[in-house]
Parts: sequence; C-alpha cells; structure tokens
Amino acid sequence: EVQVLESGGGLVQPGGSLTLSCAASGFTFSSYAMSWVRQAPGKGLEWVSAITHNGETIFYADSVRGRFTISRDNSKNTLYLQMNNLRADDTAVYYCAKDGPLAGGSQGYFDYWGQGTLVTVSS
Amino acid sequence: DIVLTQSPDSLAVSLGERATINCKSSQNILYSSNNMNYLTWYQQKPGQPPKLLIYWASTRESGVPDRFSGSGSGTDFTLTISSLQAEDVAVYYCQQYYNIPYTFGQGTKLEIK
Repeated sequence: EVQVLESGGGLVQPGGSLTLSCAASGFTFSSYAMSWVRQAPGKGLEWVSAITHNGETIFYADSVRGRFTISRDNSKNTLYLQMNNLRADDTAVYYCAKDGPLAGGSQGYFDYWGQGTLVTVSS
Repeated sequence: DIVLTQSPDSLAVSLGERATINCKSSQNILYSSNNMNYLTWYQQKPGQPPKLLIYWASTRESGVPDRFSGSGSGTDFTLTISSLQAEDVAVYYCQQYYNIPYTFGQGTKLEIK
C-alpha cells in the first residue's frame, strides 16, 4: 500500500525557518517524481514545488522561489521541503504527493497524497 | 500562469440526482502532439487530503465509482456525478498540468439538497 507521511510542521515566527519531511513507503520511491502542495486554512490548493525521481530537475512556484528548497534522499525514501524567510501567507497545510503514475519526471498530477502537516507563521 | 475558473462555487443536489461542475481554462490545455487534455479532477472531503478522481480530463482513476465522469476539451471541462450519493459531499477541484506552475481551480463545494 502506498503511503506518504509528512512531519515537521509547527508554529514559527515571521522570517523564521522550518524543514518538512515526507516519508514514503509502498512504492519504489527512487523511481517517481514528488511534489509539495499547500492549502491555506479554508482556502484552495496551491502547488508549491516538484522534484524529479533523481533530484536533477526541480520546479518552484513563483511565490516560494528563492525561499523554499525541495530535496530528496532516495536512500531514506524521504522528501524534504526547507522553508526559509517564512511569511504569514505561507501558513497552510503542506501535503506531500506522489507526482503521477509513471516513473521519472513530473507528470503534474498527483495520485497519492499524505495527510498533511500544518505550518503556522505568526508572531 | 493558466487560470482555472470553476462554476458554480457551490452546488446543492438531491440524492440520486445529477451534479455537474464546470472548469474553464484561461488557455488551451489540449496538447496537439498527443491529443490529450492535461486536466485532472480531485475530491476533497473535510479533514482529508485530496483524492484523484479523473486524469487526462476523462480517464477515471482505479477504484473511482463509474458515476463520476469527466468530459470536455481545449478550455472547457465538466465533472459529472450521474447519481449523487451521500458520500459524494465534498469540495471538488480541477487542476491543469499542461505547464508549470501547475494550477488548481478555486473549488466547488457540493452539498445535499
């Protein structure tokens, strides 16, 4: 059974940093692209970042480029999102999602999602 | 960026009746080289992550009931639930993957009348 489990959320002050992790199981993690998608409280979905199966190609939304860094450790079946210079509008549930049913690059749609981890940016 | 606009924002339908949700793209998301529409539909129930229902605009994900269907091409798309069940109460989102940034519609809240 495919599972992805996010962790690392919490309360952080504006300008602070936080690193999210996503532990994957039930599939060959190293073969698939992964993405982060976020959802502000009571709002819709926003794609944040994607990384190909081998980490060689990375994409970011303009809203986070230069502040967030996506990475992966295929030996640990884990995806990361390092978030720096956090702002109030980064407050959201952050979902880790398997990026498509095909191995390799980002297909851009998400067939498995974690339960999410809440990041709250507030003083 | 491609903007997806869903209509209506909310919808109340009686049990057993048809529910229709529309999604309009600000630009064509039909890729001519493979004749595929780069559009998905997700269902999100309260307190849960989104669930993939439909991809390539009309291909149902494995395990999704056949009362859910997707249609449309180019810029105009529709999600139809042929006979609404109580467990279909949720917010539904369309999403394009034609280009980056991947973008979502604002969501349509579906309730029971």
